[in-house]
Amino acid sequence: QVQLQQWGAGLLKSSETLSLTCAVYGVPLSGYYWSWIRQPPGKGLEWIGEISHTGSTKYNPSLKSRVTISVDTSKNQFSLKVSSVTAADTAVYYCARGRMGVAVADGVPTKTYFFDFWGQGTLVTVSS
Amino acid sequence: QSVLTQPPSLSAAPGQKATISCSGTTSNIGNNSVSWYQHVPGTAPKLLIFDDNQRPSGIPDRFSGSKSGTSATLGITGLQTGDEADYYCETWDGSLNAGVFGGGTKLTVL
Repeated sequence: QVQLQQWGAGLLKSSETLSLTCAVYGVPLSGYYWSWIRQPPGKGLEWIGEISHTGSTKYNPSLKSRVTISVDTSKNQFSLKVSSVTAADTAVYYCARGRMGVAVADGVPTKTYFFDFWGQGTLVTVSS
Repeated sequence: QSVLTQPPSLSAAPGQKATISCSGTTSNIGNNSVSWYQHVPGTAPKLLIFDDNQRPSGIPDRFSGSKSGTSATLGITGLQTGDEADYYCETWDGSLNAGVFGGGTKLTVL
């Protein structure tokens, strides 16, 4: 049974660095794309970025300059850091397992990308 | 403003059918598969549909997905009060080189 368990500081001050970790149980990191997604209060879901077990990363262009996602294969964990946080970074942060591949629809190959297992979520509040 | 466009809210009666739309472009929906998630506030989002129209194990066939061109649709039949939640579409955007979500649709069953 795949489980993701996340933790990290829930209250930060402006300009500090947000740090969260997600431990993966029941499956190795290889073969998947380990992602971070957030939901600000009253708003929708926002993809932050992902990392593969080899350490290859992709980031949301709007957050790229402040975000670092890293992986520790020895502990089967991956982590998120967001620097210079402001009140706009207040959100519930989720870690998730991403699946990426090729699907065939009506004989036409398309890229498939979805999240099938999620962590429980961590509320991070940034105060000024 | 979200890359994918969804109606903010939708209401339907128990037992009826709800249809939620998701509109994008050739950079995202037009050339990549769509997934759908059910999100009850305070819990983790749940995958309902992947690869446009595939249901994960354990998801009832009341939930269905379809796609045409640059738009996708989630259908929910036999609505139950337990279906009240926020629903999000998601796909990959080749121009942004990033995952993108719709703004979400709040479904009310009354």
